[in-house]
Amino acid sequence: SQKIEQNSEALNIQEGKTATLTCNYTNYSPAYLQWYRQDPGRGPVFLLLIRENEKEKRKERLKVTFDTTLKQSLFHITASQPADSATYLCALGISYNTDKLIFGTGTRLQVFP
Amino acid sequence: DVKVTQSSRYLVKRTGEKVFLECVQDMDHENMFWYRQDPGLGLRLIYFSYDVKMKEKGDIPEGYSVSREKKERFSLILESASTNQTSMYLCASSPSGQGALVTSTDTQYFGPGTRLTVL
Repeated sequence: SQKIEQNSEALNIQEGKTATLTCNYTNYSPAYLQWYRQDPGRGPVFLLLIRENEKEKRKERLKVTFDTTLKQSLFHITASQPADSATYLCALGISYNTDKLIFGTGTRLQVFP
Repeated sequence: DVKVTQSSRYLVKRTGEKVFLECVQDMDHENMFWYRQDPGLGLRLIYFSYDVKMKEKGDIPEGYSVSREKKERFSLILESASTNQTSMYLCASSPSGQGALVTSTDTQYFGPGTRLTVL
């Protein structure tokens, strides 16, 4: 069956360290992948997009990698801050012909001072 | 800035009531989506619409219907609310897909959500 897996357990790290979140998928061949941030009681907010033919994307302290062989994306936040504490969702774009996304369940990140 | 608004942040209804959830976007986006979000299950797509009066079923359409009479407005209707429809409902919009040229602008913009409780 088709599945997208993100760590259901919260990730707790100390301020200043690099947070790494994982998104694994099976039985999909996504055309692109997106990462979103969601704060409690709010809708998700887009962070980064990476296409199937791209290995890595960066935006300020954020970095996303996409390995279509391993069927995995890694999301890194360097020099993490307490303000980065939130739930992070990965979303697969299955086709370029539709804007439909398949979302993972999200991983909650807690950054401690 | 893109703005997606939802008619209510919190809603409490009784079993069997007809419930309307409204969503409005102000960026002339072609696509609009309705999701529900439950702990451990993530965001699940209920319905989406890629044009006025056009709609497609998502992964969990049972018990729901939608209406898109105007481009900026997408309504989710629970014909007869049940307790298992208690959830957080999120609306989103996106511009029309650009095929292989999909860029960071072709993302989904979400509203703040409506937490619906059905008693």
